[in-house]
Amino acid sequence: GAVVSQHPSRVICKSGTSVKIECRSLDFQATTMFWYRQFPKQSLMLMATSNEGSKATYEQGVEKDKFLINHASLTLSTLTVTSAHPEDSSFYICSARDLTGGAQGQPQHFGDGTRLSIL
Amino acid sequence: GDSVTQMEGPVTLSEEAFLTINCTYTATGYPSLFWYVQYPGEGLQLLLKATKADDKGSNKGFEATYRKETTSFHLEKGSVQVSDSAVYFCALSQGTSYGKLTFGQGTILTVHP
Repeated sequence: GAVVSQHPSRVICKSGTSVKIECRSLDFQATTMFWYRQFPKQSLMLMATSNEGSKATYEQGVEKDKFLINHASLTLSTLTVTSAHPEDSSFYICSARDLTGGAQGQPQHFGDGTRLSIL
Repeated sequence: GDSVTQMEGPVTLSEEAFLTINCTYTATGYPSLFWYVQYPGEGLQLLLKATKADDKGSNKGFEATYRKETTSFHLEKGSVQVSDSAVYFCALSQGTSYGKLTFGQGTILTVHP
């Protein structure tokens, strides 16, 4: 079945560091990928929609200069947390939608998430 | 806007008990409905889906029926196992907006031997 790979799975770094997270669709092309943030024991909050070859669409309240998204190919989107601070510590999850066969009812496939801890 | 409401958790059951997790939604048009499961420290996995009214999604003994008249998509399983312990998310997507998902708040399920 469709697989989405997310890397790294865990990052621990010092405050002020920039961190890049990769999201790859392994066996399908994804013109659109999504980035979510999940706080402990809470639901997923959509941060942005990543579109191949164009600018990402950010949800209200998400700082686009803080969370840089690049979707350079049909199988790769990256999220860079710039100058990370402890309040950026969270679980970040990407997803991609396989539109093969049409859009209706096609589910999103999720990566395993990245646990980001800023010291 | 669209929204999804799940029953409050956590839910604690004994092995082989019957499970119901309620999910209701508010949406325009005819959304697709999904249940996702998240095991500790992992991302989300699609459990089942339904794309139109009266469809029943089923997988691994779980099932849910798309009820348009009650705007509900309740998750059920006849006999839960310890390995079913996880967080369950109900979600919907519209045909537009690139299939952006709207999630419920999640329900933590713990199954004891």
